[in-house]
Amino acid sequence: EDQVTQSPEALRLQEGESSSLNCSYTVSGLRGLFWYRQDPGKGPEFLFTLYSAGEEKEKERLKATLTKKESFLHITAPKPEDSATYLCAVGAGNNRKLIWGLGTSLAVNP
Amino acid sequence: DAEITQSPRHKITETGRQVTLACHQTWNHNNMFWYRQDLGHGLRLIHYSYGVQDTNKGEVSDGYSVSRSNTEDLPLTLESAASSQTSVYFCASSPSGGGTDTQYFGPGTRLTVL
Repeated sequence: EDQVTQSPEALRLQEGESSSLNCSYTVSGLRGLFWYRQDPGKGPEFLFTLYSAGEEKEKERLKATLTKKESFLHITAPKPEDSATYLCAVGAGNNRKLIWGLGTSLAVNP
Repeated sequence: DAEITQSPRHKITETGRQVTLACHQTWNHNNMFWYRQDLGHGLRLIHYSYGVQDTNKGEVSDGYSVSRSNTEDLPLTLESAASSQTSVYFCASSPSGGGTDTQYFGPGTRLTVL
């Protein structure tokens, strides 16, 4: 069964304290892995798409990496405004639907 | 700028009433999706459409229906609202083909069924 698991469920960091969020997946025929950010009361906002193992993408303090089994979202020197829930989703096979993880809730304290 | 909008943003209704949530996108995307988001369950797919006149059931479709008469709109109808349908509802769209499945989300509708 296709599945996406995110860890940890919640993470609290001090401002400037770098860390990583994990998204592990078991799917047949990965077509793409997606990272989204969701602020309270808002819809998910697209961050990155990764298509193949070894691929990396960066945006400001965020860097996403992909292996054959998992993806990491590295947050370097986070700021309070990085506080949000980060969602991971996977596209697989010929299906245009996405399989979603439950998210990691990140809080960055000043 | 192209966008995806949802209305209403907040809705309170009573058990047994029919409710319709609107979703409108101006990207000219063929694919549209409806999700509900609840604590502990994440995003769950209700219905989706890959084009005009095409609709498909997702994992939690019971009690919901959709219709697609044009590219821009995918309204979600709750035939007879139940308290279990109290949730936040998100509409999303994505372009078709080309290996690009990125879904773009609306701002959500918070529905309370009393």
